[in-house]
Amino acid sequence: DTGVSQDPRHKITKRGQNVTFRCDPISEHNRLYWYRQTLGQGPEFLTYFQNEAQLEKSRLLSDRFSAERPKGSFSTLEIQRTEQGDSAMYLCASSLASSVETQYFGPGTRLLVL
Amino acid sequence: RKEVEQDPGPFNVPEGATVAFNCTYSNSASQSFFWYRQDCRKEPKLLMSVYSSGNEDGRFTAQLNRASQYISLLIRDSKLSDSATYLCVVNGRLNTGFQKLVFGTGTRLLVSP
Repeated sequence: DTGVSQDPRHKITKRGQNVTFRCDPISEHNRLYWYRQTLGQGPEFLTYFQNEAQLEKSRLLSDRFSAERPKGSFSTLEIQRTEQGDSAMYLCASSLASSVETQYFGPGTRLLVL
Repeated sequence: RKEVEQDPGPFNVPEGATVAFNCTYSNSASQSFFWYRQDCRKEPKLLMSVYSSGNEDGRFTAQLNRASQYISLLIRDSKLSDSATYLCVVNGRLNTGFQKLVFGTGTRLLVSP
């Protein structure tokens, strides 16, 4: 399968713990995006990378959130000191820089903070 | 006001029915428009782009009215497999020049036998 993959698919954690999610984009895609989706809402943009550079961050991305894409391939999203309000589906998407509006989404990581 | 507004539904229709979803957007500078489909507990997938001239893909027809900032999706001859949430999406240009996709809340469609 050459689509976008994410790991883990599900994560349950206690409030205050740190969690890290991984996204592997489609191999030839140089843009990678992170979104958050809560129940009954559409995905909300968090941040994006072009190759290894993080070029845009949403105001939704508090200081507890950090994302990296060290080699321009896979990306990680870390949430420190999780709060119950962080419970959501975290979606990763990728695209070519020449076709930024055609984004392919991964299956998401569903986070539950107890 | 939300950037993209949709009726969340659900729309309950019998198989074979025609159903239409509408969406309004607030940013008049938006240039690109899409419908995505999202199945329950799955990721969104691009259904179709929406062009000013309107476009059709099989049973699906999308229309754009720039003057009214309104987008529609028409599904003819509904199938059980069309049951999903349909997300209206527009691009929004930030001050940095970056164009992000802005999603509506989605309209849920339930097609029954």
